[in-house]
Amino acid sequence: GAGVSQSPRYKVTKRGQDVTLRCDPISSHATLYWYQQALGQGPEFLTYFNYEAQPDKSGLPSDRFSAERPEGSISTLTIQRTEQRDSAMYRCASSPTTGGPETQYFGPGTRLLVL
Amino acid sequence: AQSVTQLDSQVPVFEEAPVELRCNYSSSVSVYLFWYVQYPNQGLQLLLKYLSGSTLVESINGFEAEFNKSQTSFHLRKPSVHISDTAEYFCAVSKGGSEKLVFGKGTKLTVNP
Repeated sequence: GAGVSQSPRYKVTKRGQDVTLRCDPISSHATLYWYQQALGQGPEFLTYFNYEAQPDKSGLPSDRFSAERPEGSISTLTIQRTEQRDSAMYRCASSPTTGGPETQYFGPGTRLLVL
Repeated sequence: AQSVTQLDSQVPVFEEAPVELRCNYSSSVSVYLFWYVQYPNQGLQLLLKYLSGSTLVESINGFEAEFNKSQTSFHLRKPSVHISDTAEYFCAVSKGGSEKLVFGKGTKLTVNP
């Protein structure tokens, strides 16, 4: 596609529910990133993929968070048993190659609100 | 661990005035430095980056940033701002060979007429 797309753009859920966020990167981009951005803060790294491999998931805040990219294209981020502190903007980005420091192209983000 | 400090959370300026948005980073190894911009209701976009070579890098819309290794800084400057420069600006760093970006908290630049 022309750019990185994310869905849904907004998600309101109740505490304890599971949510799944989707990211569709730029076509043929090898690397895909997930960031979490709390209000008033900069984005914080969660995890990234090189095609379908997930070399670094050190930023995932707890085992309630998981991400996958099974075919090396679209990725999902799932948060189980959501808590109010999970409320944030979730940003996805992609870059053409692996090995850094390529420009990361960001999607519009998904704003998650946990009530 | 790397960290990025943006000293000013908000910077109000008048149109056509100069502006400097400050960014300092902490890292003991070679780093790559970036400025991203977020215009209202849009996603993050790369403004400029320093990878190697000349320490002064420029964007297509008149911004520039200078990598200063001794002061571990990468301040963003523009000699004359426009209303359309109103946005939030994020400084970011990545370690050589690392995939992830470490961002500062952002600076909201508001350009007033």
